[in-house]
Amino acid sequence: QKEVEQNSGPLSVPEGAIASLNCTYSDRVSQSFFWYRQYSGKSPELIMSIYSNGDKEDGRFTAQLNKASQYVSLLIRDSQPSDSATYLCAVNSHTGNQFYFGTGTSLTVIP
Amino acid sequence: DGGITQSPKYLFRKEGQNVTLSCEQNLNHDAMYWYRQDPGQGLRLIYYSQIVNDFQKGDIAEGYSVSREKKESFPLTVTSAQKNPTAFYLCASSPRTRETQYFGPGTRLLVL
Repeated sequence: QKEVEQNSGPLSVPEGAIASLNCTYSDRVSQSFFWYRQYSGKSPELIMSIYSNGDKEDGRFTAQLNKASQYVSLLIRDSQPSDSATYLCAVNSHTGNQFYFGTGTSLTVIP
Repeated sequence: DGGITQSPKYLFRKEGQNVTLSCEQNLNHDAMYWYRQDPGQGLRLIYYSQIVNDFQKGDIAEGYSVSREKKESFPLTVTSAQKNPTAFYLCASSPRTRETQYFGPGTRLLVL
């Protein structure tokens, strides 16, 4: 079993819709969770971090964490074509010294 | 400007050659990391360093070596023992381990 699993997609949504990206993780002791966005040929850039159960909102982005279900998600409201990218979920290891990354979900926002 | 720089942007390696990828940060971060990204795969950790003069192997350290002589610098050498080095190499740093990691622009390594 992989430490972090994401649906690779591709996920396509129309402009203005809500995009929902999901991630599950295997290590129950994980404490820190991150979403990164990666445009084709570029390096990942941080969107959000979340540490506690529940929702965390930042502009059009909302991260949701459920530690009991070992599940973290990212919602993108009012999706824009510029949101088209691969979204990587990252989870810290039980030692806390390294992150595990999912393979990413490719999102396309259709104008 | 604070940030992480990597050089070169593209690097070509001949068979049997060792090559070194540069990573420098001026964020005063203690921890630095090297990842490898292959098409369709997530980031895989090669090495990480929590402090100067200390580093730890990640999941795929074979065929790679690192040094951490200065806080700002964490170069990665891809040795001839790495038989499949073609990949996108990403350097990251964080204030300390367990904290948010920030990435440099990456180096794309190709084999001639």
